[in-house]
Amino acid sequence: EDQVTQSPEALRLQEGESSSLNCSYTVSGLRGLFWYRQDPGKGPEFLFTLYSAGEEKEKERLKATLTKKESFLHITAPKPEDSATYLCAGRTGANNLFFGTGTRLTVIP
Amino acid sequence: DTEVTQTPKHLVMGMTNKKSLKCEQHMGHRAMYWYKQKAKKPPELMFVYSYEKLSINESVPSRFSPECPNSSLLNLHLHALQPEDSALYLCASSQGLLNTEAFFGQGTRLTVV
Repeated sequence: EDQVTQSPEALRLQEGESSSLNCSYTVSGLRGLFWYRQDPGKGPEFLFTLYSAGEEKEKERLKATLTKKESFLHITAPKPEDSATYLCAGRTGANNLFFGTGTRLTVIP
Repeated sequence: DTEVTQTPKHLVMGMTNKKSLKCEQHMGHRAMYWYKQKAKKPPELMFVYSYEKLSINESVPSRFSPECPNSSLLNLHLHALQPEDSALYLCASSQGLLNTEAFFGQGTRLTVV
């Protein structure tokens, strides 16, 4: 069964305190691992796509990495405006974008 | 431009009403999606259109009826909904079906009373 599991469920960080969010997946015929950011009441905002183990992508304070079983979203020196829910999703061979339950990040000034 | 536009932003409807949600993109994407998201839950796929043809229906009740009039537009027709259908309805589009990222609209917050 296709599954995407994210941890932790919620994370509180002090401003400037770096950390990592985890996404482990078991998706048959994975056709991409995607990271999105979602603010309350808004649609998910695309951040990164990763296709193969060892791949890394960066954008400002965020860096996403991929292994054969999991992906990490590293947040370096976060700011309060980075507070959001971060969603990980795998695209299956049947083209379903299969989301994890997300990590709710709060960055305290 | 990675914009997907959804209207209306908010909708309140009675259980006997008929209403429609609209989605538009001008990125030349050929795949479009409807997702449903309940509070504090991840988005769940409802329908996928590829080249204006319905390619995936995730066993959605018939009170939800999708329509893709052309490559830029996607509608979701609603009829005889239940209060438990209240949710954020998200539209997304992608360049193709495989190996491409999906871009989401801001959603329609639907309340069924």
